[in-house]
Amino acid sequence: KNQVEQSPQSLIILEGKNCTLQCNYTVSPFSNLRWYKQDTGRGPVSLTIMTFSENTKSNGRYTATLDADTKQSSLHITASQLSDSASYICVVSEEGDSSYKLIFGSGTRLLVRP
Amino acid sequence: EAGVTQFPSHSVIEKGQTVTLRCDPISGHDNLYWYRRVMGKEIKFLLHFVKESKQDESGMPNNRFLAERTGGTYSTLKVQPAELEDSGVYFCASSRGRTGWNTEAFFGQGTRLTVV
Repeated sequence: KNQVEQSPQSLIILEGKNCTLQCNYTVSPFSNLRWYKQDTGRGPVSLTIMTFSENTKSNGRYTATLDADTKQSSLHITASQLSDSASYICVVSEEGDSSYKLIFGSGTRLLVRP
Repeated sequence: EAGVTQFPSHSVIEKGQTVTLRCDPISGHDNLYWYRRVMGKEIKFLLHFVKESKQDESGMPNNRFLAERTGGTYSTLKVQPAELEDSGVYFCASSRGRTGWNTEAFFGQGTRLTVV
């Protein structure tokens, strides 16, 4: 069964600190992996999309890494801000005819405190 | 460019009633998707339209759910009759091409449905 597992479930950090969120997946064959940010009451917004050939991708203070061999990804947030408080969701797509079906993890809830 | 918009943002209905959710995709996006998150679970795929055609409705939970996209523009998702387990947040997303590889999917803010 295709699954996406995220850790930790929740995280509290102080403003200005860095943090790293983890994602493990069993989706195969693998097409791409996305990280989304979801603010409370809003829809998910894409941060990065990576294919199997990409090891790292950055979007401002967000840096995602991907190891397609071990089926692991991480999202690193640098110099956190209060506005980074949100859920961060790892999403994976299968290769092939079902590639349009996004397979979601349950997310990591991040709270950044002053 | 307007984003994906969903109506209503919240809906509270009694068990057995009917509810219709609406999604307006980004103009020019042929691909439209419905997803939902029920309490404590991850977001899951419901179905996929290309223009007005249903390409895949394998994620629809049962025949109480009916999705339409007449004219290939906005889409509706009707639940009739609603049951308690239908409570959750229903998301709509759209994309210019089929989501996959590097194609971006844009999500609406969701409709929170509560069945009491």
